Amino acid sequence: DGGITQSPKYLFRKEGQNVTLSCEQNLNHDAMYWYRQDPGQGLRLIYYSQIVNDFQKGDIAEGYSVSREKKESFPLTVTSAQKNPTAFYLCASRARQGPANYGYTFGSGTRLTVV
Amino acid sequence: AQSVTQPDIHITVSEGASLELRCNYSYGATPYLFWYVQSPGQGLQLLLKYFSGDTLVQGIKGFEAEFKRSQSSFNLRKPSVHWSDAAEYFCAVASDTGRRALTFGSGTRLQVQP
Repeated sequence: DGGITQSPKYLFRKEGQNVTLSCEQNLNHDAMYWYRQDPGQGLRLIYYSQIVNDFQKGDIAEGYSVSREKKESFPLTVTSAQKNPTAFYLCASRARQGPANYGYTFGSGTRLTVV
Repeated sequence: AQSVTQPDIHITVSEGASLELRCNYSYGATPYLFWYVQSPGQGLQLLLKYFSGDTLVQGIKGFEAEFKRSQSSFNLRKPSVHWSDAAEYFCAVASDTGRRALTFGSGTRLQVQP
């Protein structure tokens, strides 16, 4: 079945360490997104990519980096510059074939904790 | 810039009672509107979406939502709540131009009493 796979489900980061969250989709979607979720704040956009080899900053990109070398993959790196990385991270992809098919599919998330 | 407001942080209803979750949006053009549900520690599941046409939209699990342009609202309703509906509900808006990303409200946590 088509979908989005995020791994790992749980991730622990030490102070000063970079970690990478994986997001893979087999939906043939062009656009992919990373969101951060904190209690009481909904989901906030970190980075997005509308096409391979191109990506843009979202609303809270500081301390994060991404790459989009393949259509299927959009990994997110949480760098040591991100001062408060403990959160739930969700990856999404979007179908773009016109309004009737316009929709977003979400992965099951990665919970990152700083230890 | 687009934005979404969900004024109710937490709602408790009795099983079998009706439910209405409020959502107000701010967007310059015709919005694409969505309602998602999230169980603890899980991703988001789409309940329904509105792009155009009939302003009353039917979704999965017996949910419906009504788009009211004059009130900039897209409230979610269910006639009879089941215990399994307890979850967090997010309203979101998107455009078909620019970054085409969803902008979310802060969510409403629904608790269902037996």
